Amino acid sequence: GAVVSQHPSRVICKSGTSVKIECRSLDFQATTMFWYRQFPKQSLMLMATSNEGSKATYEQGVEKDKFLINHASLTLSTLTVTSAHPEDSSFYICSAHRTSGFYNEQFFGPGTRLTVL
Amino acid sequence: SQQGEEDPQALSIQEGENATMNCSYKTSINNLQWYRQNSGRGLVHLILIRSNEREKHSGRLRVTLDTSKKSSSLLITASRAADTASYFCATANFNKFYFGSGTKLNVKP
Repeated sequence: GAVVSQHPSRVICKSGTSVKIECRSLDFQATTMFWYRQFPKQSLMLMATSNEGSKATYEQGVEKDKFLINHASLTLSTLTVTSAHPEDSSFYICSAHRTSGFYNEQFFGPGTRLTVL
Repeated sequence: SQQGEEDPQALSIQEGENATMNCSYKTSINNLQWYRQNSGRGLVHLILIRSNEREKHSGRLRVTLDTSKKSSSLLITASRAADTASYFCATANFNKFYFGSGTKLNVKP
C-alpha cells in the first residue's frame, strides 16, 4: 500500500511561536503533496499544493507568509505555521499524490492536531 | 471556491438499516472518492469511482455516480454501530481534491 505519515500527531504551543509539521510518503515518491485544514465538525479545506522543487501554490484566502510550505524532496513536505495564534488551532492533514495512469490517487496522512494557547 | 455539498448533514439510524448519503459537486471531475473519518482522527479511503463509471461496489458499500447531474451517492447496507463516523466525498479534478461538507452518521445499536 501507499503510506503517508505526519509528525507530530499532536502539538501544543504558545501564541507567537512557529510550528513545523512534516508529511512523508513512506513507500512512494510524491512530486505533489497537499495540505488541508479542518475545523471542528467541519469539512477539510484545501490550503495549498506543495510541489517538489518549486514554490507551493496557495488557495484563495490562505496567507502564504503565514503558512510556509517547503517540499524539499520527493518524500517530504513541511508546513510551518508562523507566529501561531489561537485561531490557527486546527487539524492539519496532508496528502501525497501518486499518479496511476490518467486517474490520480491521493493518500492521506493521519493528521496533526495543533492547539495554540 | 471549494466545491461539494452533502446531504443529509446528519443521519441517525438503527443497526441493520441502510444508510444513504448524497454528494453534489460543481465542476468536471476525473474521479470521486468517499472517505470516512472517526471523530478527531485521520481519513480512511473507502472507495473511488471514475468519471466513466456509474456504479461501484465494495463489500457493504455501493457508490453511484451521475456526471450529468454532478452527483454521487454512498449506500451502506446492513449498518453496524462501528459505521458511526463522518463521511466525506472528495472530487478530483486532475491533481486537486475538494471535499464535501460531510455527513455525520450515527448508527444506534
